[in-house]
Amino acid sequence: GDSVTQMEGPVTLSEEAFLTINCTYTATGYPSLFWYVQYPGEGLQLLLKATKADDKGSNKGFEATYRKETTSFHLEKGSVQVSDSAVYFCALKGFQKLVFGTGTRLLVSP
Amino acid sequence: GAGVSQTPSNKVTEKGKYVELRCDPISGHTALYWYRQSLGQGPEFLIYFQGTGAADDSGLPNDRFFAVRPEGSVSTLKIQRTERGDSAVYLCASSSFVPGQGAIGANVLTFGAGSRLTVL
Repeated sequence: GDSVTQMEGPVTLSEEAFLTINCTYTATGYPSLFWYVQYPGEGLQLLLKATKADDKGSNKGFEATYRKETTSFHLEKGSVQVSDSAVYFCALKGFQKLVFGTGTRLLVSP
Repeated sequence: GAGVSQTPSNKVTEKGKYVELRCDPISGHTALYWYRQSLGQGPEFLIYFQGTGAADDSGLPNDRFFAVRPEGSVSTLKIQRTERGDSAVYLCASSSFVPGQGAIGANVLTFGAGSRLTVL
């Protein structure tokens, strides 16, 4: 069945550092790909999405490119802030349901 | 409403008791999903409704779990004879299909804040 694998955390960075969180997927067909974020004490929020190969999703300085050849959707940000500290979930959606990875906790220190 | 509303936000119960969790989706959203998130894990799919019917209930772990959406809006997740292993945050999400926005798979799920269930 469909599945998502993302790097284990926590990822610990200093403010203004470059961020990469790796995500790879296994799916039949052509899923849409998403990154969701969960800030401390809050619910899941959509961060960005891409619906077809080579699409780039972006939001709040975060970017991810749908790479069909490597079945990847890595999340990047050029300069992280303390306020980016959260748990990030990679997910894919085929026709109906959203399948999540296990999440990667990001901790950004001043 | 403006967002997905879930009640109660916290529920503590004893092993063996019956529990109901309620989800009020965004007005007009035809699709409704239930997920379960255990500590340190990603959300795990339970069941998906399109309108009033369960289109996919393959994620329900056993027959103690049941969900309904009788009028195609509010949904209730019901757990019978609760066990300590049922302790988790139960998340509800809704989405809609808008013609012209491409494949259904592209539609975004909007999540509620969740109901935290603790079984003692």
